[in-house]
Amino acid sequence: ELKVEQNPLFLSMQEGKNYTIYCNYSTTSDRLYWYRQDPGKSLESLFVLLSNGAVKQEGRLMASLDTKARLSTLHITAAVHDLSATYFCAVDKGAQKLVFGQGTRLTINP
Amino acid sequence: DVKVTQSSRYLVKRTGEKVFLECVQDMDHENMFWYRQDPGLGLRLIYFSYDVKMKEKGDIPEGYSVSREKKERFSLILESASTNQTSMYLCAGLDGVRGYTFGSGTRLTVV
Repeated sequence: ELKVEQNPLFLSMQEGKNYTIYCNYSTTSDRLYWYRQDPGKSLESLFVLLSNGAVKQEGRLMASLDTKARLSTLHITAAVHDLSATYFCAVDKGAQKLVFGQGTRLTINP
Repeated sequence: DVKVTQSSRYLVKRTGEKVFLECVQDMDHENMFWYRQDPGLGLRLIYFSYDVKMKEKGDIPEGYSVSREKKERFSLILESASTNQTSMYLCAGLDGVRGYTFGSGTRLTVV
């Protein structure tokens, strides 16, 4: 059974700092997604990572995938308050069905 | 952009009621999904559908059923609502470029 674990689950950081959210998964998969969710809102797609070594960047966020280590990272560079949200990773377990991590609640303080 | 629309943002229902959650997508794709979201548990797949009149159980189908009579509409049905089905329900369509596109969610409270 595929399990997806994120850490940390809660992260409070100051503006301008860098940090990384980790997503580990238990069985082989070549497709991983990152989503952002604001309070009371739905999930917004951030990145789709389709192969080993894939790296994608948008603004202050960068995501990478290591399928051999079964690990994805979401790196935040020089955080700003607008990035405060909950971030989810999700792994394709086959037939386009996703298993989600628990989510990381990120709070960025001025 | 693909749009996935859920008809209700908030619903309050009584225990034992039959509840319908509606989801409509404007893409011409076959794949649609229903998830529920609970604090600390992330999202869990209830049911999905790859085509009209086709449905498959997800990880937590108990107490739920679905209907897919038209490609654009995928309904989640709670046959007899119970308090443990109080949750946020999210419908999603599959976009081949960006992956899933989620609807705005329905927060259901069963009292």
